[in-house]
Amino acid sequence: KQEVTQIPAALSVPEGENLVLNCSFTDSAIYNLQWFRQDPGKGLTSLLLIQSSQREQTSGRLNASLDKSSGRSTLYIAASQPGDSATYLCAATSGNTPLVFGKGTRLSVIA
Amino acid sequence: GAGVSQTPSNKVTEKGKYVELRCDPISGHTALYWYRQSLGQGPEFLIYFQGTGAADDSGLPNDRFFAVRPEGSVSTLKIQRTERGDSAVYLCASSDGPGSYNEQFFGPGTRLTVL
Repeated sequence: KQEVTQIPAALSVPEGENLVLNCSFTDSAIYNLQWFRQDPGKGLTSLLLIQSSQREQTSGRLNASLDKSSGRSTLYIAASQPGDSATYLCAATSGNTPLVFGKGTRLSVIA
Repeated sequence: GAGVSQTPSNKVTEKGKYVELRCDPISGHTALYWYRQSLGQGPEFLIYFQGTGAADDSGLPNDRFFAVRPEGSVSTLKIQRTERGDSAVYLCASSDGPGSYNEQFFGPGTRLTVL
């Protein structure tokens, strides 16, 4: 059974800092891994999806990497801004299964 | 184009009552998912539809929960004899094709409060 863990649970950084959010998964036979952003009281916004055959994806200031052999993914945010403050969730699928989510990392970027 | 929509956005009900939550997926998306998110947790899978049929309902917690998608588009999640522990945000997502390879797009959720 797939289990997804995110560390740290919460992170506070000053504006402009680069930062890395970590995600680990137990079943390396994943088909894809997806990173989401969730603002308080809102739904999930998809940020990046990495297929199992890929090693990374980039969108603007965001870069997500995937290392299946070690069961890890990272989300790198460059030059953080207060508007980046939100909860970031990673989720994996393996086999014909829906997404299995971590509990998220709550990010605060301080101006 | 329009994203996934869910109605109502908030639902308050009393213990023991019946509720229905609606999801309108992105037009043309064949796969539809229901998840439940409790405070401070990640979403947990409930049920997955491919077209009109439930391809996987292993996440439904008990027989008080039921979902339908009669025409392969709109889906309704039905909860009978609600309990306080059912209070959560119910999220719907859709994707273009079988879920394993395709990006899932989420709606804003329905916040259910059982008093």
